[in-house]
Amino acid sequence: NAGVMQNPRHLVRRRGQEARLRCSPMKGHSHVYWYRQLPEEGLKFMVYLQKENIIDESGMPKERFSAEFPKEGPSILRIQQVVRGDSAAYFCASSEQGRGYTFGSGTRLTVV
Amino acid sequence: KQEVTQIPAALSVPEGENLVLNCSFTDSAIYNLQWFRQDPGKGLTSLLLIQSSQREQTSGRLNASLDKSSGRSTLYIAASQPGDSATYLCAVPPMDSNYQLIWGAGTKLIIKP
Repeated sequence: NAGVMQNPRHLVRRRGQEARLRCSPMKGHSHVYWYRQLPEEGLKFMVYLQKENIIDESGMPKERFSAEFPKEGPSILRIQQVVRGDSAAYFCASSEQGRGYTFGSGTRLTVV
Repeated sequence: KQEVTQIPAALSVPEGENLVLNCSFTDSAIYNLQWFRQDPGKGLTSLLLIQSSQREQTSGRLNASLDKSSGRSTLYIAASQPGDSATYLCAVPPMDSNYQLIWGAGTKLIIKP
């Protein structure tokens, strides 16, 4: 079991470009969560997804950010028209319902 | 609104010392409290989870306590080693959400050989 796989590990984008972050949950896990960690701050919840459904996106900015977890393939966090303030570490976690989280190694996004 | 605070933000101690990391939260209505470890460039590793009905949990050299009434948890590390150097984070799921976690900003721990 490879655990939660996130790629890429590091991503550099120029202002205005799009960033796509991928997360493959642990085998058998159907719940995926995305968190963002800004420099020197704690992690902040962004979105909770199950296969083909967004359950809670209350932590996601209303504009430019979107997330999906299709029936086949990884969960994708998409940031359009990135700005410098989007620079952060983005962590994905997965779980079976009612059980603890397993986190991935994160994607570190740098906007230049 | 639940807020989680960790003090100190950074701590540097010689190898072999016992140490305590602190976590405080403003709303005592929690399901549980978790301590995580974050290594640079790596993901988060769950260390200990204390249910709201429990007072403490132990794993090896780690002991976590929970005092809901005062809104505090401590992580005790015995006989510290250089390999314990990492950032330690605590997190709680609020009662109105059993899947979200509210996080502290972490304590960066350095153990000097």
